[in-house]
Formats: sequence, C-alpha cells, structure tokens
Amino acid sequence: NAGVTQTPKFQVLKTGQSMTLQCAQDMNHNSMYWYRQDPGMGLRLIYYSASEGTTDKGEVPNGYNVSRLNKREFSLRLESAAPSQTSVYFCASSEVYYRVLTRIKNIQYFGAGTRLSVL
Amino acid sequence: DQQVKQNSPSLSVQEGRISILNCDYTNSMFDYFLWYKKYPAEGPTFLISISSIKDKNEDGRFTVFLNKSAKHLSLHIVPSQPGDSAVYFCAASDPGGTPLVFGKGTRLSVIA
Repeated sequence: NAGVTQTPKFQVLKTGQSMTLQCAQDMNHNSMYWYRQDPGMGLRLIYYSASEGTTDKGEVPNGYNVSRLNKREFSLRLESAAPSQTSVYFCASSEVYYRVLTRIKNIQYFGAGTRLSVL
Repeated sequence: DQQVKQNSPSLSVQEGRISILNCDYTNSMFDYFLWYKKYPAEGPTFLISISSIKDKNEDGRFTVFLNKSAKHLSLHIVPSQPGDSAVYFCAASDPGGTPLVFGKGTRLSVIA
C-alpha cells in the first residue's frame, strides 16, 4: 500500500524557472493538501482540495497554483520560482469521518516530501 | 495569529523517563486534536488523536490528555526510548472538517 506518493524527491531550480510537483494517493480520499515546511515555521498550508473539482487557498498561496487532476492526483505548480520558495513540500490526503460518538475524525496522511532549492 | 502553539522548540529526556510535550490552542471551535511524529527526511506520520468529548486517550506508551477549559493538550510518552527522538507536531481540526492547523513542532531528544 503506497499511501501518498510525491515526485520528485529532490529538485534544484534557478530563479524564474517553473516546475510542477506531483502527488498521488491510493486511499480513495476525497481531500488533498499541499504544505511547506521551513525551519522554525512548522507546516504551513499552501492550497487544499476538499473534493475533486474544488481547490482553496491556504495560509501561504502566493506564487503557487494547483490542479486537482482527478480524485487521486493533486499537483502544485511554481510558475516562476523564487529563492523564498526554497523549502520542503509535503502533500497529504484525508477522509473526514463523522461519527455519532466521537463526532469528527480527520486524519491526514503525508507523503515523504519534496526538497526544493531555488538558487 | 497562531491558533495552535507549541511553546517548547526542543526537549531532552533520558531514556526510560517520561516525555511530556505540550500544546495550547486558541480557537474554541476546535474539537479534534492530533499528534504527528516526524523523522528527518520523512513525512509526518499520525501518532495519536483525541476528540473533545474525551479528556484522555491512550495507545501503548503514548497518552494524550485534553483540558478543554485551559485549551491545552499534552502528549505523554512512557517510557521514552531513543527511537522516539523526532519532531512532534500538535494539530487541531474544527467540526467543519477544514484542513488541520499545525503547531510549529517540538524536537524531542531521548538520550540513552
């Protein structure tokens, strides 16, 4: 069971170049997310997709675009990379369950990350 | 404005002792809380969670306590093992199922 798969694992870009980070999940989850992790900043949400066909901005969306290609795949695009976008990027997916006794259950499952350096 | 706060960036504990990681939140709408563990060069992995209708949830060596009145939760690891050395993130969710809100993490070092 692969879970959440991200490609590539590493990438080096020059300022101004573009690239797309790919993410696929095989858990049949409706919701998918893109985060970035920077030292001392924790995990910050870039964009998310609550269901196929919808996308919403998170905390730090500037400089990024996303595409929910289908239920399995959610890609993140940097149109013109900047050094400030040097970071580790994580994709995640989840299914939100509503239960009578425990109410909500929302567990996100993460990929292994893409380490991006922009020079 | 940080809605989920982990005020201790790091914590060192001796092997065999108890590790206590703390987390505070400000949004009273949060009703589901999680702890994630992250090793270097890997993605965060789900560790344990608790719903707001409970005040304690236990899973093996890991116990999460929730104090709703204080808007505080803590993760207890007993006994601590060197393999527990990692960054631990606290996260919270509201009833609408919106994306989890994460704290900045606490780096735990368990010393043999």
